[in-house]
Amino acid sequence: QKEVEQDPGPLSVPEGAIVSLNCTYSNSAFQYFMWYRQYSRKGPELLMYTYSSGNKEDGRFTAQVDKSSKYISLFIRDSQPSDSATYLCAMSATSGSRLTFGEGTQLTVNP
Amino acid sequence: EAGVVQSPRYKIIEKKQPVAFWCNPISGHNTLYWYRQNLGQGPELLIRYENEEAVDDSQLPKDRFSAERLKGVDSTLKIQPAELGDSAVYLCASTRDQETQYFGPGTRLLVL
Repeated sequence: QKEVEQDPGPLSVPEGAIVSLNCTYSNSAFQYFMWYRQYSRKGPELLMYTYSSGNKEDGRFTAQVDKSSKYISLFIRDSQPSDSATYLCAMSATSGSRLTFGEGTQLTVNP
Repeated sequence: EAGVVQSPRYKIIEKKQPVAFWCNPISGHNTLYWYRQNLGQGPELLIRYENEEAVDDSQLPKDRFSAERLKGVDSTLKIQPAELGDSAVYLCASTRDQETQYFGPGTRLLVL
């Protein structure tokens, strides 16, 4: 069983939709949670960084962490065609240590 | 500030040949990582450097892979000899003082 599970999709939504992306994990030692966006043939780009449980909002993006359920989410409001990419969740036990990634969810936002 | 720089961006080699990848981290970033990303998967750590010291290389296949980070700045990852299963994207990332990791564009390797 993988330490981090993420639905690979693909997920296709119309422009303006609210998108929900999720990951579950099994390692209770994870304390730091991240979401990366990866465009085709590019490196991952950090979107959101959260420590422990709670919510964090940045513009159209909201990250949620529920450590009791070992479940993290990323919400994208008013989705745009430019949001079309692969979204990777990542987590680590200590700051700066190895990141354990999900396999990524491929998102397409249709104009 | 400039991001993480990697070269080459693409490399095609025949199996059993050697190959090397180069990474220049963001200026001032003391921690450097090499990840491998297989098609349709998330990146997996190969090795982590704190300055010039390798502090986590448990996932590095040491029979064929080697890495170095001279003077605690640039790093080189080498595969010798390459196998078909080594075809992947090799990503370099860096961070300063244990903060968030910033990734380079990667080197896409195809082994024929």
